[in-house]
Amino acid sequence: QQQVKQSPQSLIVQKGGISIINCAYENTAFDYFPWYQQFPGKGPALLIAIRPDVSEKKEGRFTISFNKSAKQFSLHIMDSQPGDSATYFCAAKGQNSGGSNYKLTFGKGTLLTVNP
Amino acid sequence: NAGVTQTPKFQVLKTGQSMTLQCAQDMNHNSMYWYRQDPGMGLRLIYYSASEGTTDKGEVPNGYNVSRLNKREFSLRLESAAPSQTSVYFCASSEEERQRQFFGPGTRLTVL
Repeated sequence: QQQVKQSPQSLIVQKGGISIINCAYENTAFDYFPWYQQFPGKGPALLIAIRPDVSEKKEGRFTISFNKSAKQFSLHIMDSQPGDSATYFCAAKGQNSGGSNYKLTFGKGTLLTVNP
Repeated sequence: NAGVTQTPKFQVLKTGQSMTLQCAQDMNHNSMYWYRQDPGMGLRLIYYSASEGTTDKGEVPNGYNVSRLNKREFSLRLESAAPSQTSVYFCASSEEERQRQFFGPGTRLTVL
């Protein structure tokens, strides 16, 4: 059972455009929603994260929008740049079937390409 | 601080061979994790360790064993490698309170 569904699988955006990646989750016990950025040949790195008590968090050109009732959250990259080209993963943390609350469940990833 | 380090960076094994992937962190984190990353599958948790002396299974533990040697080190062992274990393996660590996970650079493993 996939607990975090991410879309689209791939995304091509022109420089200066807005990139939007969406995620949906099922487990209402999730209490922390990070986005990770991964460049080719590197490990993922935390980009931005949100907790469910706020509906939006912005850090520079990156914004997370969170809709608790719909169980959805999204990453918006404003003024997308070629250097933003990477794979983006959404994730969620909380109680799951294993009973532990510090494991992350990841989406399958979105390959973003920003054309110059 | 080096953060999370992994060795080796690359490895080729033959089916049935065994090997251990090493991971160490210098951030004094309690929790450590092993993931595998396959195309189109995202990151899947193999095993994790909430604290020194404890380990637990993740989503895809079959064919793997782990050892939390001390607070710094968390190793992943393949006893009898299979082609299905060809993947990129990432180790991560995190603080319990903040939950931010820090990833290592990965080990690319090919099993022939």
